[in-house]
Amino acid sequence: GAVVSQHPSRVICKSGTSVKIECRSLDFQATTMFWYRQFPKQSLMLMATSNEGSKATYEQGVEKDKFLINHASLTLSTLTVTSAHPEDSSFYICSANPGQSYGYTFGSGTRLTVV
Amino acid sequence: LAKTTQPISMDSYEGQEVNITCSHNNIATNDYITWYQQFPSQGPRFIIQGYKTKVTNEVASLFIPADRKSSTLSLPRVSLSDTAVYYCLVGDVGGYNKLIFGAGTRLAVHP
Repeated sequence: GAVVSQHPSRVICKSGTSVKIECRSLDFQATTMFWYRQFPKQSLMLMATSNEGSKATYEQGVEKDKFLINHASLTLSTLTVTSAHPEDSSFYICSANPGQSYGYTFGSGTRLTVV
Repeated sequence: LAKTTQPISMDSYEGQEVNITCSHNNIATNDYITWYQQFPSQGPRFIIQGYKTKVTNEVASLFIPADRKSSTLSLPRVSLSDTAVYYCLVGDVGGYNKLIFGAGTRLAVHP
């Protein structure tokens, strides 16, 4: 089946630094990927839609200069949290549509802790 | 995008059948109904998808009435490992439409 690989699974960084999260589609091409953020005991919140070869589309209220998205190839999208602060600590999840009938595929998530 | 409404939480015991109902009154003609399961600190996992009537796979059944304004996910003989959050999503599976998650249903299975 279609697999989306996300790396790293867990990262701790100091306040003010930047962190990059990678999302790869392993056995299919993804012109579009989606980035979500999830706080404890809450649902997934869509942050942005990543488009291969063009700018990402951000949801209302999401700072595009803080959450940089790059989708340089058909199998890789990256999310960079710039100048991270403790309130950015969250669980980040990416997703892509493999184009088949069994729905979207999600990465295993990245737990970001900013200290 | 059709909005969905599910119970916030449910409790069950091992071996019982669990039915989680989702309301989606504004479902569009092209929309499919998809259910996902999420364990703590993991990404959601596809469970089942359907358009109308009944769909069954190795883990669940999905019942959709004729008006398609609701759907019911049925988990037969749950075990402790079925404790998770279950999300019902409605949308057009074609193309690359974004998925908007509702609150989901937190299912707790007790021994």
